[in-house]
Amino acid sequence: GESVGLHLPTLSVQEGDNSIINCAYSNSASDYFIWYKQESGKGPQFIIDIRSNMDKRQGQRVTVLLNKTVKHLSLQIAATQPGDSAVYFCAESSQGGSEKLVFGKGTKLTVNP
Amino acid sequence: KAGVTQTPRYLIKTRGQQVTLSCSPISGHRSVSWYQQTPGQGLQFLFEYFSETQRNKGNFPGRFSGRQFSNSRSEMNVSTLELGDSALYLCASSLMNRGLGTEAFFGQGTRLTVV
Repeated sequence: GESVGLHLPTLSVQEGDNSIINCAYSNSASDYFIWYKQESGKGPQFIIDIRSNMDKRQGQRVTVLLNKTVKHLSLQIAATQPGDSAVYFCAESSQGGSEKLVFGKGTKLTVNP
Repeated sequence: KAGVTQTPRYLIKTRGQQVTLSCSPISGHRSVSWYQQTPGQGLQFLFEYFSETQRNKGNFPGRFSGRQFSNSRSEMNVSTLELGDSALYLCASSLMNRGLGTEAFFGQGTRLTVV
């Protein structure tokens, strides 16, 4: 069945370090992947997305890597800041013409000053 | 420009009652999706509407329903509430365009507590 999972439920890093959050997905038909950040009391906030015809995409301080061979997605955050503390979700979509997203369970990132 | 607006933010209902939640998408966005978020199940897709038509539905019982109006605003309804329906209900809107950089924007959610 559909599932998008994350390897670690929690991740703690020091301010200034780089963070890597991983995600595994099972649906080989997935063609669109997104990372969201959710702070306490707020809705998920878009970070970065990638289509299945790419293996890397960079944004401001963030990079998403996609390995379709092993169905693995990762989010790298450079120079992690306290404001990056949040729960991070990966999501995938595989239905053409639909906006349905399948979310992973989330990784809680804590940045220590 | 204004983001996705969900009302009310918080709601307390009794078992057996029904509830209606509202979502106003970003201006110009025609696709609205609803998700249920709980600590145990995470974020789960409820349904998606585009141009007043339900395009997709998640694996939820028939007590969960929704609709979309001509101005793209959407409502979802839960009838005969159960304790397990307590959750954060999130609405997301998008342009319905899969080009890179076009993503789903989420509202802050409605926190429903069933007692």
